[in-house]
Amino acid sequence: NAGVTQTPKFQVLKTGQSMTLQCAQDMNHNSMYWYRQDPGMGLRLIYYSASEGTTDKGEVPNGYNVSRLNKREFSLRLESAAPSQTSVYFCASSDDGRNTEAFFGQGTRLTVV
Amino acid sequence: AQSVTQLGSHVSVSEGALVLLRCNYSSSVPPYLFWYVQYPNQGLQLLLKYTSAATLVKGINGFEAEFKKSETSFHLTKPSAHMRDAAEYFCAVILNTGGFKTIFGAGTRLFVKA
Repeated sequence: NAGVTQTPKFQVLKTGQSMTLQCAQDMNHNSMYWYRQDPGMGLRLIYYSASEGTTDKGEVPNGYNVSRLNKREFSLRLESAAPSQTSVYFCASSDDGRNTEAFFGQGTRLTVV
Repeated sequence: AQSVTQLGSHVSVSEGALVLLRCNYSSSVPPYLFWYVQYPNQGLQLLLKYTSAATLVKGINGFEAEFKKSETSFHLTKPSAHMRDAAEYFCAVILNTGGFKTIFGAGTRLFVKA
């Protein structure tokens, strides 16, 4: 019962390098999300996708791009990593509707040096 | 405007004592409210959710929350804390802005002392 799978779990980048965080869900959910978690800030929404082929900015989209490759997969790309992007990144998915819970991956701990 | 506000970034209780974690929501948002728990080095998991069927909502691990419209609050309680309850707790709301998205509060870290 996989749920939401994120890769990689850990990553260290040098400033200016690029990378893509991968996320896949097997629950046939329409909505997928990328959050970043920083101490004292809670989870802040970076981008979300309400359905295949659509993406929208969240609270903190600058420095990131996303791709909703298909219904299952939603990737997050850092084109030129900065130390301010050091964080723990979570992917989540949910079914449609106002009262549906989000299911989370285990997170990716990213350090930019 | 902040959709949900959690009062207290850290709460410390003794084992066996009452747990009270506070959450207030913006009255401009529809009341689809949730509490999530995050154990160390893990993702978030749902603790309970308010869906307007009842104002007192029971969740997993003995937690419950009461929706109070007059106070715009959705505080989380547990009568007797256990060591395994030590975790971070997040209040959340779903907003519909051309798509449903979950917005989280800043979180409250619960410490349980033996």
